[in-house]
Amino acid sequence: SQTIHQWPATLVQPVGSPLSLECTVEGTSNPNLYWYRQAAGRGLQLLFYSVGIGQISSEVPQNLSASRPQDRQFILSSKKLLLSDSGFYLCAWSVVPQGRTEAFFGQGTRLTVV
Amino acid sequence: GQQVMQIPQYQHVQEGEDFTTYCNSSTTLSNIQWYKQRPGGHPVFLIQLVKSGEVKKQKRLTFQFGEAKKNSSLHITATQTTDVGTYFCAGLSGYSTLTFGKGTMLLVSP
Repeated sequence: SQTIHQWPATLVQPVGSPLSLECTVEGTSNPNLYWYRQAAGRGLQLLFYSVGIGQISSEVPQNLSASRPQDRQFILSSKKLLLSDSGFYLCAWSVVPQGRTEAFFGQGTRLTVV
Repeated sequence: GQQVMQIPQYQHVQEGEDFTTYCNSSTTLSNIQWYKQRPGGHPVFLIQLVKSGEVKKQKRLTFQFGEAKKNSSLHITATQTTDVGTYFCAGLSGYSTLTFGKGTMLLVSP
């Protein structure tokens, strides 16, 4: 069965520090991968999505970047965090070519920038 | 780009009352999906609707997909405290990415 791992679960980082959040998927190949951010009590904002290794599309220009070094690995990064980067970051995957279009989310990372 | 609007943003009901959330897309959708996010949790897939005018039921939850495949609704009959959470719709246009609505937060008082 497919599983998605996202870590860490919580993170407190000072302003100006770097960030690296990692997400890995098991049990499937060539998934579409997504990074979403959710501010407290708000909706899901799509940050990045990837349809293949090295293919990254950015939905919102901001202080963050994403990379997909391997088929089932998706990394969200920042060189210098801002206070406004605080939020709940969710990684998700879907496999459209197999007819399964629903997204499966990881447990999320609660990031607080102080 | 594709936009998915969801209303209301928030609803507070007494246990036993019904609840409905509505979703509208700016473009015709291939399918529409509904997710539930419990407080402190991550969104979990509930159901997918594909056909024009489709209606699906899961116990007390009824999901509808509009004839034009641009709108959808989720109706909960006789809410329970376990229904508390945020309900998101997500639209898929062609084989592009899912576009999520902003969600409807449901609070149920006993």
